[in-house]
Amino acid sequence: NAGVTQTPKFQVLKTGQSMTLQCAQDMNHEYMSWYRQDPGMGLRLIHYSVGAGITDQGEVPNGYNVSRSTTEDFPLRLLSAAPSQTSVYFCASRRGGGEGGYTFGSGTRLTVV
Amino acid sequence: DQQVKQNSPSLSVQEGRISILNCDYTNSMFDYFLWYKKYPAEGPTFLISISSIKDKNEDGRFTVFLNKSAKHLSLHIVPSQPGDSAVYFCAAKGVRGSSNTGKLIFGQGTTLQVKP
Repeated sequence: NAGVTQTPKFQVLKTGQSMTLQCAQDMNHEYMSWYRQDPGMGLRLIHYSVGAGITDQGEVPNGYNVSRSTTEDFPLRLLSAAPSQTSVYFCASRRGGGEGGYTFGSGTRLTVV
Repeated sequence: DQQVKQNSPSLSVQEGRISILNCDYTNSMFDYFLWYKKYPAEGPTFLISISSIKDKNEDGRFTVFLNKSAKHLSLHIVPSQPGDSAVYFCAAKGVRGSSNTGKLIFGQGTTLQVKP
């Protein structure tokens, strides 16, 4: 099992550019989430999904879109990148129910200049 | 309004001593509380959890205590080892049917340094 795979690992964007951060899991997990980590702010939830075809907003959804067309994939789209979106992004997945322990990917470090 | 708070940004302890990391929450609609450990340039990894109906859970050197009346949980590491040096995040899982259904809400994190 590869677990949760995020690509790319590093990315530099210019202000106004768009891009998609990819996330895939091979554990047949129902739930998937995107977080961003910023110094002093911890991990903040951007968007999450409780199953294919179902997505919802987290704490900081503005400027990001998601879709969940398959159980395995949960891409995060930046529509028009801004310097405030410079961050480390983590994708995570878990099975439904129970203690809810998420498995995290290794992260994408994004810099917007 | 932050629902899960870790008010201590950092903690430094001597090897072999106890490390106590604290976490507070403001919303009662959580059914599990979890602790994650994060090393630089890696994703967080699950450490230990506790159900909201329990007050203690142990796993080797790690024990989590939950005080529901105070809306407070803590992670005890005994004895602390240099390899425990990392950022520790507490997290709370939303109860199904609540406004936090499907969500895992994290605190800001506490950086633990264990000195040899």
